[in-house]
Amino acid sequence: GAVVSQHPSRVICKSGTSVKIECRSLDFQATTMFWYRQFPKQSLMLMATSNEGSKATYEQGVEKDKFLINHASLTLSTLTVTSAHPEDSSFYICSARGIDRAYEQYFGPGTRLTVT
Amino acid sequence: SQQGEEDPQALSIQEGENATMNCSYKTSINNLQWYRQNSGRGLVHLILIRSNEREKHSGRLRVTLDTSKKSSSLLITASRAADTASYFCATEGAQAGTALIFGKGTTLSVSS
Repeated sequence: GAVVSQHPSRVICKSGTSVKIECRSLDFQATTMFWYRQFPKQSLMLMATSNEGSKATYEQGVEKDKFLINHASLTLSTLTVTSAHPEDSSFYICSARGIDRAYEQYFGPGTRLTVT
Repeated sequence: SQQGEEDPQALSIQEGENATMNCSYKTSINNLQWYRQNSGRGLVHLILIRSNEREKHSGRLRVTLDTSKKSSSLLITASRAADTASYFCATEGAQAGTALIFGKGTTLSVSS
């Protein structure tokens, strides 16, 4: 299957700082990338959808000024959590889909964010 | 947003027994997928069933789909301790290119 990577796998940051999470499609061109958030013992919640070169579309209740998404190339999308607070601590998972992968959705391994 | 419910929320069985998990969804779909997630880890894709399919098998996994009832079931036969994990169904909407929407999941515990 296609490979999607995320970096970092774990990050700890202080409250009030910003942290950037990268999502890369390693062997295909990802025309669309998705960002999910998963709190402990809960399911994945879709945060936003980003198409390469366009502004991201955010799900209801997700603050676009707090969760900045950039999808500047066909292999890279970034999620920046700005002015992070402890309640932003979560598991962030990206996924990607592309034309040459029959539009199937491939998931990254996730990033564990802890805000202290 | 979440598509629907999974039932049961938690399931505890003995090794060798079968485990059945159910998933309901709300809108028309293109396909439904099942994923496994071990605690604190990423997702593992198990099986995909398209809206025009009714049943699919993969090893010890059997998935059914009833689009009239908007429901699916995942059966794991002859369960093993290694099957202990959370299981999620995820639906892809009828419109191509939409994100997968996940159910709330079932936590399966298999004891030896």
